[in-house]
Amino acid sequence: EAGVVQSPRYKIIEKKQPVAFWCNPISGHNTLYWYRQNLGQGPELLIRYENEEAVDDSQLPKDRFSAERLKGVDSTLKIQPAELGDSAVYLCASSLIGSSIQETQYFGPGTRLLVL
Amino acid sequence: DAKTTQPTSMDCAEGRAANLPCNHSTISGNEYVYWYRQIHSQGPQYIIHGLKNNETNEMASLIITEDRKSSTLILPHATLRDTAVYYCIVRPGNAGNMLTFGGGTRLMVKP
Repeated sequence: EAGVVQSPRYKIIEKKQPVAFWCNPISGHNTLYWYRQNLGQGPELLIRYENEEAVDDSQLPKDRFSAERLKGVDSTLKIQPAELGDSAVYLCASSLIGSSIQETQYFGPGTRLLVL
Repeated sequence: DAKTTQPTSMDCAEGRAANLPCNHSTISGNEYVYWYRQIHSQGPQYIIHGLKNNETNEMASLIITEDRKSSTLILPHATLRDTAVYYCIVRPGNAGNMLTFGGGTRLMVKP
């Protein structure tokens, strides 16, 4: 079974440039998460989707970050313009929320962003 | 607003059991204890979770104290590939809740 796929794995850009990250969740998973992980810290949630709907985007810096989940499957996270402080690993996770109260989130390998 | 407290780092000899403690003294009745680990340059990986009873799967065992204020993750026979950061997470019982990661415990398994 294929896991969560993310691309690119690494990205180096200059500040003020735009950047986009792509995520393909596990097939059939209806919920998708984007997390950001700063060096030496645990991941922090940016946004959560249930199908196509963003149900929790309270931690997403909306002045420069945007996200979409087309047709409730793949998702793209964009930063425009990027700042030095955006250097981090961006992780995508997916899960299947169904009849079970608890569900397991499965993470992709992440995209490591370096802003110069 | 840390809900869990873990040691920053631990060492374990290869082949021995690794016991990773976690304090969650403010846990409420409907919150589960989850454990994830993150190997270098990879995304977090689910290990196990529990509510009140002890749990065991092919990866690890989870021992939760009777008052639920602390728990221990046990890797019965640690290998070098178990070297990772281990995160203990307290999570409400509603599906879809985000995982709130703390700093975790960096486990180093040594030959």
